[in-house]
Amino acid sequence: DTGVSQDPRHKITKRGQNVTFRCDPISEHNRLYWYRQTLGQGPEFLTYFQNEAQLEKSRLLSDRFSAERPKGSFSTLEIQRTEQGDSAMYLCASSPIGGPRTYTEAFFGQGTRLTVV
Amino acid sequence: AQSVTQLGSHVSVSEGALVLLRCNYSSSVPPYLFWYVQYPNQGLQLLLKYTTGATLVKGINGFEAEFKKSETSFHLTKPSAHMSDAAEYFCAVSDPNNAGNMLTFGGGTRLMVKP
Repeated sequence: DTGVSQDPRHKITKRGQNVTFRCDPISEHNRLYWYRQTLGQGPEFLTYFQNEAQLEKSRLLSDRFSAERPKGSFSTLEIQRTEQGDSAMYLCASSPIGGPRTYTEAFFGQGTRLTVV
Repeated sequence: AQSVTQLGSHVSVSEGALVLLRCNYSSSVPPYLFWYVQYPNQGLQLLLKYTTGATLVKGINGFEAEFKKSETSFHLTKPSAHMSDAAEYFCAVSDPNNAGNMLTFGGGTRLMVKP
């Protein structure tokens, strides 16, 4: 297993265009997370899936953002009508499910860097 | 709600010197605590974590951190800096009562190591 894989690594798009990113988690990891990291800041949680169910979404996830995880495997994050403020690194992470009050480590991908011009 | 404050967005040390990166948190419940490292154009790698038990935790690459509940701190230290330690370091917290284990990160500290 090569870890969490994200594609593309870099994306430059014009303002107003739609973009879609893909994340392939570590196989058999039930949980998949999306975070956004703007320049000079720490990552911020966007949303997470357990299998195919999207269980939580941050208020940062405006209605222009949509994430899916069909069949509980890979996930896509789509941004519609991109704005310059969407320029950031989008990080994906995956983890197995642990028991109650048990932390299971999240493994991060290398991210997709989005530049909106 | 939880929050993390990392004092000092940039820290510079000489090779061989002590590394101290500060992290303070705010949480309504005793959190899980983490330190991650990020090299340029890379994802995040877990250095160490505190969930329960011993408050001094050891991680990879010679780093360690101590959970001090009374000070709401989780500072990261390494006795002797190496050039390869130059990177961005993030402190993070998680709510043990939240089944999703989502992480709340601090703003990061860029560590520079001078020869």
